[in-house]
Amino acid sequence: AAGVIQSPRHLIKEKRETATLKCYPIPRHDTVYWYQQGPGQDPQFLISFYEKMQSDKGSIPDRFSAQQFSDYHSELNMSSLELGDSALYFCASSLPDWGLAYNEQFFGPGTRLTVL
Amino acid sequence: AQKITQTQPGMFVQEKEAVTLDCTYDTSDQSYGLFWYKQPSSGEMIFLIYQGSYDEQNATEGRYSLNFQKARKSANLVISASQLGDSAMYFCAMRESPNTGNQFYFGTGTSLTVIP
Repeated sequence: AAGVIQSPRHLIKEKRETATLKCYPIPRHDTVYWYQQGPGQDPQFLISFYEKMQSDKGSIPDRFSAQQFSDYHSELNMSSLELGDSALYFCASSLPDWGLAYNEQFFGPGTRLTVL
Repeated sequence: AQKITQTQPGMFVQEKEAVTLDCTYDTSDQSYGLFWYKQPSSGEMIFLIYQGSYDEQNATEGRYSLNFQKARKSANLVISASQLGDSAMYFCAMRESPNTGNQFYFGTGTSLTVIP
């Protein structure tokens, strides 16, 4: 079965550089979520999109922006990178909510960003 | 306040024995979902089991079962007949009513080590 695809899987950047992470959700999933997991930390919600519109915003720094495109893939843009941005970035996708509390989020393999 | 609390940073279990990973949660919503994810050292987040707040029966999925005690707001994961491949980080997560947001709230995780 198709899974969530994230690219690149690994990324090394210098401080103050920019980075773009891409996420391709499971076909027919129209909701995408971004999480940041620092070393030894639990995943922290950054932002989510439903039908190409931002639906929720978590602890996303102002230096970061994201969008969802017409084909439902999403990109997380990170500027002025800092050492503390080094983390595993997960994208997850899900089907429409339809008012249900159960809506499993399928996680991608993550992009490991290292800022030097 | 932390929405998900996992009080066991690390656990050890003998191969073939059962182990319980603790999770308590905090929400004022009536409708919510509780999830457990496994994260091996490779980093991916693997869905294990789900429990809905209105489910009267405890969820089970193969060797995984969820001990759901709604009044105590606990959702402990029980792994029976532990295997070496069960060694990983385990995260408890909650999703509240869709009306209050789409994001998952994660606990800080429990690192499980299965001893041969």
